[in-house]
Amino acid sequence: DTEVTQTPKHLVMGMTNKKSLKCEQHMGHRAMYWYKQKAKKPPELMFVYSYEKLSINESVPSRFSPECPNSSLLNLHLHALQPEDSALYLCASSQGRSGYEQYFGPGTRLTVT
Amino acid sequence: RKEVEQDPGPFNVPEGATVAFNCTYSNSASQSFFWYRQDCRKEPKLLMSVYSSGNEDGRFTAQLNRASQYISLLIRDSKLSDSATYLCVVNEYGQNFVFGPGTRLSVLP
Repeated sequence: DTEVTQTPKHLVMGMTNKKSLKCEQHMGHRAMYWYKQKAKKPPELMFVYSYEKLSINESVPSRFSPECPNSSLLNLHLHALQPEDSALYLCASSQGRSGYEQYFGPGTRLTVT
Repeated sequence: RKEVEQDPGPFNVPEGATVAFNCTYSNSASQSFFWYRQDCRKEPKLLMSVYSSGNEDGRFTAQLNRASQYISLLIRDSKLSDSATYLCVVNEYGQNFVFGPGTRLSVLP
């Protein structure tokens, strides 16, 4: 089973709302990732958790707040977003060691109005 | 200089054609290499890992040249369903994956 699940599939939120994106994997992977992807661009790394600890934060604005409650779950809390934050948000997981590939969830398409 | 570069594309080819994609990377210490395909408005999906000895999976062949820091993907007998964006991904170490900009392929009937 190489499945990563994400909810919700679509999300529309106003600039004053607070919402959360959720990601889950049951492959025993120890690294989990959040990416942001705009149209016709490759995924852009936001955060990496390794063994449930934040290991990489690519200078992401504080209106995005990641959380890793356990080794299978990853959340992204959203607050006071801007219209330019509208994008596809992808979660991925990997073994966390060199030589192993990443598996992506289907993404959440976020629109900020 | 970008860390991972790919052919700019797009590639428009007829069904049945052979098409080759190229990718170069700048970090000579990079450890592993992958090709992903991404359909419009979908997530990237692993197509194949790339090994130094080269590897083949049906109509797809991937090659790695560590000395030249170059990776390739060859698709033979293109199908309409091969139309997608192909992403070259380099794993520099551990959790550090670097994506190329992608090359879009359209296979035409």
